[in-house]
Amino acid sequence: QVQLQESGPGLVKTSQTLSLTCTVSGDSITSGSYFWSWIRQPAGKGLEWIGRGRVYGSGSTDYNPSLKSRVTVAVDTSANQFSLKLTSVTAADTAVYFCAREGGYWYFDIWGRGTLVTVSS
Amino acid sequence: YVLTQPPSVSVAPGKTARITCGGNKIGGKTVHWYQQKPGQAPVLVIYYDKDRPSGIPERFSGSNSGNTATLTISRVEAGDEADYYCQVWDSNSDNIFGGGTKLTVL
Repeated sequence: QVQLQESGPGLVKTSQTLSLTCTVSGDSITSGSYFWSWIRQPAGKGLEWIGRGRVYGSGSTDYNPSLKSRVTVAVDTSANQFSLKLTSVTAADTAVYFCAREGGYWYFDIWGRGTLVTVSS
Repeated sequence: YVLTQPPSVSVAPGKTARITCGGNKIGGKTVHWYQQKPGQAPVLVIYYDKDRPSGIPERFSGSNSGNTATLTISRVEAGDEADYYCQVWDSNSDNIFGGGTKLTVL
């Protein structure tokens, strides 16, 4: 049974870089034709897709147009992990960050439990 | 591309709840639905408009036509109380979520 687990600092200073890692367990991150995504949710608000990384296709990535200039998603097959970097953060980036497996026609079938990241000066 | 959901829907136990997701010609897109309980990660309950992942009760069903997709929950139980989100992929915006609907079981 595939499981995802987010890890990283829970507090990031304004203007600095938010860095999170998602560890995949129960199967290889290279198994199947899946994408690996990050999604976030500010307190009391809805879900926002951030971006995805691919194992195949030269490890290409796609990002939410509204965040594209600040986001990097990378897949590390040797560690069975994928990561998120979000630069120049502000209080508006405070949210619960989820990692998720994206399969089929763009649906998220497995999610991590989420990790709260607070941006504060 | 924008997906519009009602903020809240209320239903009595044992009745049928219908949660809508509106979007321009959404019937031409593939819609997925998620259930999220407080403090938990979302769970996929419907994919490809109407398919149920293993472990999701048959009480959950979906449809999609014209400008509206609908998640239907039959014989609603107290445990169905949650936020529900629709999601589509769009060629311009990539993955988009609706604003979410809070289902209250009276």
